[in-house]
Amino acid sequence: QKEVEQNSGPLSVPEGAIASLNCTYSDRGSQSFFWYRQYSGKSPELIMSIYSNGDKEDGRFTAQLNKASQYVSLLIRDSQPSDSATYLCAVAWRGTASKLTFGTGTRLQVTL
Amino acid sequence: DAGITQSPRHKVTETGTPVTLRCHQTENHRYMYWYRQDPGHGLRLIHYSYGVKDTDKGEVSDGYSVSRSKTEDFLLTLESATSSQTSVYFCAISELGLRTEAFFGQGTRLTVV
Repeated sequence: QKEVEQNSGPLSVPEGAIASLNCTYSDRGSQSFFWYRQYSGKSPELIMSIYSNGDKEDGRFTAQLNKASQYVSLLIRDSQPSDSATYLCAVAWRGTASKLTFGTGTRLQVTL
Repeated sequence: DAGITQSPRHKVTETGTPVTLRCHQTENHRYMYWYRQDPGHGLRLIHYSYGVKDTDKGEVSDGYSVSRSKTEDFLLTLESATSSQTSVYFCAISELGLRTEAFFGQGTRLTVV
């Protein structure tokens, strides 16, 4: 089992809808979780971080963490065409010098 | 934007030649990382540094070496480039601690022919 897994997509949602992106991870003790957005040909850009169970909201983005079930998700409300990108889930485990382990990413397409 | 500069941004080199990529930061962050990104594999850690002259291997370190003689600079060297090292290379930085985010440079596209 990979340490961090994501569905590669593409996930297609209409403009204005909610996009739901999911990520599962292997259990290795305390962790920190991050969502990055990457446009084609560009570098990853941090959009959300979450450290404890529950929801964390920032504008149109909500990160959800469930450590018991070992998944973290990202919801994008009122999806816009500019949200079309690849979303990378990343995990940092305690004792690993803050190294990030990435999933392979989910490609999101927001259609008009 | 975090002050991270990678150079060069693009490079084409021949098999067997040495190549050095540079990452320069102005944030005074302790941790620096080199990742490579390939289709189907995502981002994979090559080497990282947790201080000046303190470095360690990541998951795909074979064929690569690194050096960090100053806080602001982290060099990645391909001693003898191979076609399998054709990739996009990203440098990242973070402060000390598990809860700190990592920020990425613009990337270097390396082609080994």
